[in-house]
Amino acid sequence: DSGVTQTPKHLITATGQRVTLRCSPRSGDLSVYWYQQSLDQGLQFLIQYYNGEERAKGNILERFSAQQFPDLHSELNLSSLELGDSALYFCASSALGGPGDTQYFGPGTRLTVL
Amino acid sequence: AQKVTQAQTEISVVEKEDVTLDCVYETRDTTYYLFWYKQPPSGELVFLIRRNSFDEQNEISGRYSWNFQKSTSSFNFTITASQVVDSAVYFCALSEWADKYSNDYKLSFGAGTTVTVRA
Repeated sequence: DSGVTQTPKHLITATGQRVTLRCSPRSGDLSVYWYQQSLDQGLQFLIQYYNGEERAKGNILERFSAQQFPDLHSELNLSSLELGDSALYFCASSALGGPGDTQYFGPGTRLTVL
Repeated sequence: AQKVTQAQTEISVVEKEDVTLDCVYETRDTTYYLFWYKQPPSGELVFLIRRNSFDEQNEISGRYSWNFQKSTSSFNFTITASQVVDSAVYFCALSEWADKYSNDYKLSFGAGTTVTVRA
């Protein structure tokens, strides 16, 4: 158990809908990351937050947004969902958000868009 | 350009055989970090090891060992005396500064190597 929690574990929804994925980092970690894992794209970095502020952006679509709250939990919002958004979404956390930090991953949320 | 290359897509071995997973990375930075993660069939990503670019010592942890060679930009991973529980997808990852003018950095993953250990 990495100490990172993600809810829900599974999510099934329809195209055009909006969903919110939630992540709680390990105790003491200030940085949260979101990744998307799909069969064709592999593991792709989406966005990083550090202590409530956006730190870095990766291949995140404009239809996707995220935020980190004062209690350090984070939410990833996916809107106008398309079939191609079906994937496993991981949240990870690290202590300080630097390149040498080890990122510890949560169990993931499997999103299925029908 | 691919930052991390795991040339082996799938490896199948019989229990107790050794298996070596190759990882070749590309970076212009002198300071960078390399990681290995394991993704078992249950789906979670499990951290295995971190190595910084200044530490070329090989490491052994139980049945796992890692061989880091800067001269060939490789960070290979060996499982000795494999067991069925080692069946998983193994990812190599590189962490480097995305932009030297900011504090942004990026963790880039390889495509993964699926290891199947047969009883």
